[in-house]
Amino acid sequence: GQNIDQPTEMTATEGAIVQINCTYQTSGFNGLFWYQQHAGEAPTFLSYNVLDGLEEKGRFSSFLSRSKGYSYLLLKELQMKDSASYLCAVTGTYKYIFGTGTRLKVLA
Amino acid sequence: DSGVTQTPKHLITATGQRVTLRCSPRSGDLSVYWYQQSLDQGLQFLIQYYNGEERAKGNILERFSAQQFPDLHSELNLSSLELGDSALYFCASSATWLEREKETQYFGPGTRLLVL
Repeated sequence: GQNIDQPTEMTATEGAIVQINCTYQTSGFNGLFWYQQHAGEAPTFLSYNVLDGLEEKGRFSSFLSRSKGYSYLLLKELQMKDSASYLCAVTGTYKYIFGTGTRLKVLA
Repeated sequence: DSGVTQTPKHLITATGQRVTLRCSPRSGDLSVYWYQQSLDQGLQFLIQYYNGEERAKGNILERFSAQQFPDLHSELNLSSLELGDSALYFCASSATWLEREKETQYFGPGTRLLVL
C-alpha cells in the first residue's frame, strides 16, 4: 500500500531548531517534496530530495533516506512566521501523494 | 504569486446543484492537478491532466469530473453537491511529471466551496 506518516502537531520556541519527520511506504519512488501551508492559503514549495542525504536551503534543510523510507525537514532559527503546516509529499509513477501535514506552532 | 490562477475564489451553493471551478496553469506548464482539502484534512489528490489527457486519478467521486482544454486551462465540475463537498479546492501545475524538479507543483490560491 501507499502511506505517509507525519506528526500531527509540534510546538517550538522562537529562535530554536525543530525537526519534522516523515515516513513513507510507496511502490515506485521518484522523489520527496516538502511544502509549507499557512492556514487558508495555498501550499508553497520548500524542498525536493531525490537522492539520499541532506539538502540545505537557508534556514531550511531536508534529509532523505530511501532505504528507510524516511525524511525530515529541519527548520533553524525559528521565526513566528514559520507557524504553518508542513506537508510531506512523495512522487512516483503517475502519482503524487501528500501526507496530512504537521501543524507547527512557534511561540514567542 | 505562483502564476496559477483559479476562479472563483469563493462559491456558495445549495445541495443538489452543480458548479464548475476553473484553473489556468503557469505559462508553459503542461500538467494540471486538482486537490480537495476539507477542514483540518490533508490534501486529497483528485485527478491529473497532462497536455490535455487524463494522466492519473485519485479519490475522485463519480459526481466529479474534469477536463483540460487545448489552451491547457482546466475545469473541475462538481455535480449533485452534498454538504460534505464543502472544502477548499486547489489546482496546481507543473512542467512535466517525468523530469526531476520539474515535478514541483505550483498551487493556485484555491476556490472555497460552501454547500448549504
